[in-house]
Amino acid sequence: EADIYQTPRYLVIGTGKKITLECSQTMGHDKMYWYQQDPGMELHLIHYSYGVNSTEKGDLSSESTVSRIRTEHFPLTLESARPSHTSQYLCASSEWKAANYGYTFGSGTRLTVV
Amino acid sequence: QKEVEQNSGPLSVPEGAIASLNCTYSDRGSQSFFWYRQYSGKSPELIMSIYSNGDKEDGRFTAQLNKASQYVSLLIRDSQPSDSATYLCAVNRISGYALNFGKGTSLLVTP
Repeated sequence: EADIYQTPRYLVIGTGKKITLECSQTMGHDKMYWYQQDPGMELHLIHYSYGVNSTEKGDLSSESTVSRIRTEHFPLTLESARPSHTSQYLCASSEWKAANYGYTFGSGTRLTVV
Repeated sequence: QKEVEQNSGPLSVPEGAIASLNCTYSDRGSQSFFWYRQYSGKSPELIMSIYSNGDKEDGRFTAQLNKASQYVSLLIRDSQPSDSATYLCAVNRISGYALNFGKGTSLLVTP
């Protein structure tokens, strides 16, 4: 079944650690996105990619990096985790078709930095 | 001004009634509009997309778009308790395919 997978689902980590949140999709979508969501707040775009070797910064990108070496894989790395990074991280993918442009979201990673 | 604005609610409707959810957006050049449903502790799931002015119906859901007023709405007919969730409005960014999301409207359908 085509889907989008995020690991880990939950992560508790200490301040200053480097972490990578994984996202993979089996749908062959060329476009992938990372969003951050706090309770009761909007989803904020962190990074996005329109294809292999293409990455762009979103609104909250200054403390993280992404890579897109393979179509199906779009990992997000925080070089030095801080308590302010505590949040829900959502990965999504999409393809451009007039009738099917909406995102498919992964299950999310809930990150807690202590 | 936020790019996408929604009343956070909660909106409470009795079972079987019509729920009306509204959204306004700031960028007049936006072309693609979406409604997502998000249950507590879950990820958003796409329920409707609309690209042209007017109404688009899919089962119990109707999306309405008025580009002149920069207004999008979602009607849920015959509301069920299982419709209780937060509904997110999303609008494409002018610069590409990424979406801006509103904060969402919390809907509670009471039996």
